[in-house]
Order: sequence, then structure tokens, then C-alpha cells
Amino acid sequence: EAGVTQSPTHLIKTRGQQATLRCSPISGHTSVYWYQQALGLGLQFLLWYDEGEERNRGNFPPRFSGRQFPNYSSELNVNALELEDSALYLCASSLVGHEQYFGPGTRLTVT
Amino acid sequence: AQSVSQHNHHVILSEAASLELGCNYSYGGTVNLFWYVQYPGQHLQLLLKYFSGDPLVKGIKGFEAEFIKSKFSFNLRKPSVQWSDTAEYFCAVTVNRDDKIIFGKGTRLHILP
Repeated sequence: EAGVTQSPTHLIKTRGQQATLRCSPISGHTSVYWYQQALGLGLQFLLWYDEGEERNRGNFPPRFSGRQFPNYSSELNVNALELEDSALYLCASSLVGHEQYFGPGTRLTVT
Repeated sequence: AQSVSQHNHHVILSEAASLELGCNYSYGGTVNLFWYVQYPGQHLQLLLKYFSGDPLVKGIKGFEAEFIKSKFSFNLRKPSVQWSDTAEYFCAVTVNRDDKIIFGKGTRLHILP
């Protein structure tokens, strides 16, 4: 069974641009979670989608947004990129009420 | 606010040494507890989890953790470490099973061959 997949692996953007990151959950999982792993800050929860709806949101500004598609895949959009947005962005999927499985991440570099 | 504290940021051990990594959480209600591991160049993997029942839980690769509710702790243990255990270990908690994971800052474990 395929695990959680994320694309692209690496993404380089300049300050002020927009970034779009994609995630495909494990087959059958309806929930998708996004986390940011920034140097010195650890892993921080960003967003949770389930059945196409945003269920919870971490302490991040509104320029971090996303959506979940009918096939349960998800997209994370970061607008007006800032240098401190440089981080590894991890996606996880789960069945509601069960443990989360993580993807390999997208490394976003903002220059 | 809920938080997770990992006491050791960097641990260095020799092979065959015993390991205990500390983890404390701040939430007083019902919690679900996890240890995740990130091996070099690999993605985050679930090592073990506690939802309910026996407070001593066993995970993969010989790891175990004990949930002590009175101490708000969920320490990770392994009686004899191997070089291949070199990785970063994250303690994590969810308040509801279907909610966000709150991670500790992680402990980098380096095993000397």
C-alpha cells in the first residue's frame, strides 16, 4: 500500500511570491494534516482537513491556506512568502480517530 | 495551552547502553500519546502510541514507553540501543484522537558504534 506522497520535493521561491504544495493521503484516509518543521521551532500544526472541510487551524497567519479535494488529496498555499517561511512542510493522513501517517515533506526555501 | 516538553535535546550513547528519553505534557484531561522517530534522510514514522489500557506500551524495534498519569509523563525506553537507532525522536500528544498533534522539540540521539 502506498504511503502519503507529497510534491514537489523541493521548492525555491523568492520573497513575496506564492507557493503551492500538494499531498496525497493513504488510500481510504479522509483526514489530511499539514505541519511546518522550521529550524529551531520544531514541528508545528498548521491545518487539518477532513471530508473537504477545514476542521482546525494552528497559530499561523491567514496567508497560509489550503483545501481538500473530493479525492481527499490536499493543497497548501502560502501567499506573500517571507524568509521565515523557509521550512520542511509535512503532510499526514489518517482515518478520523486514528494515528497519523506522515509523508516525506516538501522543503520550501524562500530567498 | 497544551505543550510537550522533552528534557534532552541531544543524547550520545554507546551501543548496548540503556536509553530513557523524558517527555512531559501539560494537559490535564484525557490525552493520546505518541513517540515518532525520524531516521536520517527518512520521513517521520510512528514508534509507539498510547490511547488507553495498559500504561506500558511496546513499539517497534524494541522500544517501549510508560504512561504515568500522575506525573504527566510518557518516557521512552530501550534496554540496549544499536547504532541504527541514531535518529531524532519526537514525543507528541493529541487531546482528541482526531485533532492536531502537539509535538515536543525533539531529541537527537546519536549512538556510537
